[in-house]
Amino acid sequence: EPEVTQTPSHQVTQMGQEVILRCVPISNHLYFYWYRQILGQKVEFLVSFYNNEISEKSEIFDDQFSVERPDGSNFTLKIRSTKLEDSAMYFCASFSLAGGGGSDTQYFGPGTRLTVL
Amino acid sequence: KNEVEQSPQNLTAQEGEFITINCSYSVGISALHWLQQHPGGGIVSLFMLSSGKKKHGRLIATINIQEKHSSLHITASHPRDSAVYICAVSHMYSGGGADGLTFGKGTHLIIQP
Repeated sequence: EPEVTQTPSHQVTQMGQEVILRCVPISNHLYFYWYRQILGQKVEFLVSFYNNEISEKSEIFDDQFSVERPDGSNFTLKIRSTKLEDSAMYFCASFSLAGGGGSDTQYFGPGTRLTVL
Repeated sequence: KNEVEQSPQNLTAQEGEFITINCSYSVGISALHWLQQHPGGGIVSLFMLSSGKKKHGRLIATINIQEKHSSLHITASHPRDSAVYICAVSHMYSGGGADGLTFGKGTHLIIQP
């Protein structure tokens, strides 16, 4: 069963520091997403990415956030200057249309728990 | 912006009971997703449906597009079904692909032996 992987599983950082969260989507998927879940709250959409560019972003995804697909396999989320309120679980997901051999659903990675001190 | 509401927020039941979790949304969608989140945090997709009904093992999901409502049923519930069940909705782009999901707050389900 193909799976989405994420590294690291936990990241602790100081406020103001830059962090990069990494994801390896399922190899034949074309659409990629980042979500976050603050402890005790619902999952929130951050950004979607297709054809090497952002296709949609939420109000949360401000100038402090950026995404990249640097090498055709990794998909990264960078937070330039972390704030206390960025502490959350960050999930990567990938998706492919059923015609590509997969099912029409998003596959989620296990998440990266980010703690900002 | 779509609002996704789930009920109940918390549900405790005895092993073997038939479970129903409800989801309603405010704006027309392309697809509705039911997801399962375990205490460790991982999210697993259970169903994606745009009409009718789907069944997988003891899980059944239905959707009524006109009423903007979906239900997730679990038959013969078991303690291992204990998890958070999340409803989420999406829109498809005209050229294919899907935008980001809009999530409900989830239903905390506990099945007692």
